[in-house]
Amino acid sequence: GQQLNQSPQSMFIQEGEDVSMNCTSSSIFNTWLWYKQDPGEGPVLLIALYKAGELTSNGRLTAQFGITRKDSFLNISASIPSDVGIYFCAGFTGANSKLTFGKGITLSVRP
Amino acid sequence: DGGITQSPKYLFRKEGQNVTLSCEQNLNHDAMYWYRQDPGQGLRLIYYSQIVNDFQKGDIAEGYSVSREKKESFPLTVTSAQKNPTAFYLCASSPRDRYEAFFGQGTRLTVV
Repeated sequence: GQQLNQSPQSMFIQEGEDVSMNCTSSSIFNTWLWYKQDPGEGPVLLIALYKAGELTSNGRLTAQFGITRKDSFLNISASIPSDVGIYFCAGFTGANSKLTFGKGITLSVRP
Repeated sequence: DGGITQSPKYLFRKEGQNVTLSCEQNLNHDAMYWYRQDPGQGLRLIYYSQIVNDFQKGDIAEGYSVSREKKESFPLTVTSAQKNPTAFYLCASSPRDRYEAFFGQGTRLTVV
C-alpha cells in the first residue's frame, strides 16, 4: 500500500531557528497535507497543497508540493516554543482514495 | 459552530466488552474516517466511508466495526476481538470536492 516516510522521528532546535521537514513516498500523490498535533488533541490542518511545484505559506510556515509528486517539505521559520508538537504529512492519491499519513516528527524547541 | 465532535474524551472498559465511540460532524462532509494512534506509530486507518450506507476497511480493521446510517454520524465499535484496544482514536471528515480532512479531538480508550 501507499506509505509516507518522515524522518527523523524527533527533532530538537533552538528557539528562533528555522527547521525543515521532508515527506517522501514511492507513490504519486495528488494532494499533500501538513498537520500539527498537540498532546492529547486531534491533528490540526496547517497547509494543503494541490499542484506539483506549488509553494504555499501560512504565517511562518511554508510548504511545497514536489515536482515529482512523490514528496513534500514543510519549513518553519523563526521557531517559537508553541511550535512544539508532532508534525504529520498526509496525502490523497486520487478521487475516492483514502488519506494516508506519515508517522510524524516530534519537534522540540529549546528556549 | 461547525466541527467534528468525538465523545467521550476518555473511556474505560473492562476486557471482553464491546465499546462504541461516537463521531458526529455538522460540516456536511461526505467522507469520514477512523484512525488509531499509538505512540511512535503515527495514524493508522481503521475504516473509512465515502457515502452513506457504504464503508471500506482500512489497514487495521480487524476487531472493529462501523456503520454509516446518516451522513453526519460514523460510530466505531471496538469489539472484544480486538486484541490490543487501548489507544487514542481519532475521527476525521472531508468534503467531496476538496482533499482536506478535519479531525475531532479524539477519544482515549483504556481497556483494563
